[in-house]
Amino acid sequence: AQRVTQPEKLLSVFKGAPVELKCNYSYSGSPELFWYVQYSRQRLQLLLRHISRESIKGFTADLNKGETSFHLKKPFAQEEDSAMYYCALNTNAGKSTFGDGTTLTVKP
Amino acid sequence: EAGVAQSPRYKIIEKRQSVAFWCNPISGHATLYWYQQILGQGPKLLIQFQNNGVVDDSQLPKDRFSAERLKGVDSTLKIQPAKLEDSAVYLCASSMLAGGTDTQYFGPGTRLTVL
Repeated sequence: AQRVTQPEKLLSVFKGAPVELKCNYSYSGSPELFWYVQYSRQRLQLLLRHISRESIKGFTADLNKGETSFHLKKPFAQEEDSAMYYCALNTNAGKSTFGDGTTLTVKP
Repeated sequence: EAGVAQSPRYKIIEKRQSVAFWCNPISGHATLYWYQQILGQGPKLLIQFQNNGVVDDSQLPKDRFSAERLKGVDSTLKIQPAKLEDSAVYLCASSMLAGGTDTQYFGPGTRLTVL
């Protein structure tokens, strides 16, 4: 069965500092990986997906199949990045598995 | 475009009572998901529909939970009877493509408290 692990429940950085939210997965097939974000009092929404290879709000994530990781990075964190971040994996059959999330706090 | 709608937003019931949640996905979306999110955890998939057929319900506690998707559009999730451990936020999501590998769009959730 597939599994998604986000090892940090809480992450705190200062504004302007680099930030990396870790995501590790286990899945025997070829996964589709996503990062979803939930800002305060808002619904869960897509931040980015690996297949798009886009940079959204300055965030990037690279799929590393050797290390089975999909870490989310941003070189200069902003206060508005404070939110809950979830890594998610979709299998070939379309089944979704979410990690338990990381709460990011960006301090002024 | 209108987003995924859910109702009610909040529900408080006593254990052994029944409760039902409703979800209206984004128009034209083929796949609909129900998740249970317990405090401090990520969303856990309960059931996934593709149009009006069930794709995956392996984590649905079928002795007390049931779900249907009417005419491949709206969906209801029911708990009967509720237990204390069912206290959670129930999220509905939809995605455009069949097959479930697409981006999911989430509703605001229903927060259930079982006393």
